[in-house]
Amino acid sequence: GAVVSQHPSRVICKSGTSVKIECRSLDFQATTMFWYRQFPKQSLMLMATSNEGSKATYEQGVEKDKFLINHASLTLSTLTVTSAHPEDSSFYICSAREPEGFGYTFGSGTRLTVV
Amino acid sequence: DAKTTQPNSMESNEEEPVHLPCNHSTISGTDYIHWYRQLPSQGPEYVIHGLTSNVNNRMASLAIAEDRKSSTLILHRATLRDAAVYYCILKTTDSWGKLQFGAGTQVVVTP
Repeated sequence: GAVVSQHPSRVICKSGTSVKIECRSLDFQATTMFWYRQFPKQSLMLMATSNEGSKATYEQGVEKDKFLINHASLTLSTLTVTSAHPEDSSFYICSAREPEGFGYTFGSGTRLTVV
Repeated sequence: DAKTTQPNSMESNEEEPVHLPCNHSTISGTDYIHWYRQLPSQGPEYVIHGLTSNVNNRMASLAIAEDRKSSTLILHRATLRDAAVYYCILKTTDSWGKLQFGAGTQVVVTP
């Protein structure tokens, strides 16, 4: 089946720095990808929809200047957490719709810890 | 997309079947019923989906009520690897955009 690769799987950064997370569709083209955030013991919260060649669409309450999304090619979307703070520590997950069928495939997630 | 309601948690013994209910009383005619599961510290994975008829695949079975206001995911023989959070999600056929997750059901499998 379709595979989405997410990198890095785990990152620790200092408060005030920026972190970039990559999401790649390995064997298919994804014009649309999705970014989620998940806090411990909670469900996934959709942050934004990443569209190839155009601006991302952010969910209400998500700061677009803080969570920069770039979808420059049909196989790569990136999420950059700018000026990270400890409250940004979370599990970030990307997703893309499978090219065949009705399902969505997810990356393995990135555990971000801001110290 | 319409809302779904699931129990917070369910417990099962290994090798026994697990029946996970999902209520979706406001489902519309174009809503597909999707199930995903999330193992600890991993991204979710697709389990099964259906519209009106019951569905079977290698992972599970999906039983859909005749009025479509509820459905049940069936894991025929639970293994320890089935311990995960299971999400029931409605998705309209004409909207292949975002997938919104509810709270899901935590399945605990005991040996």
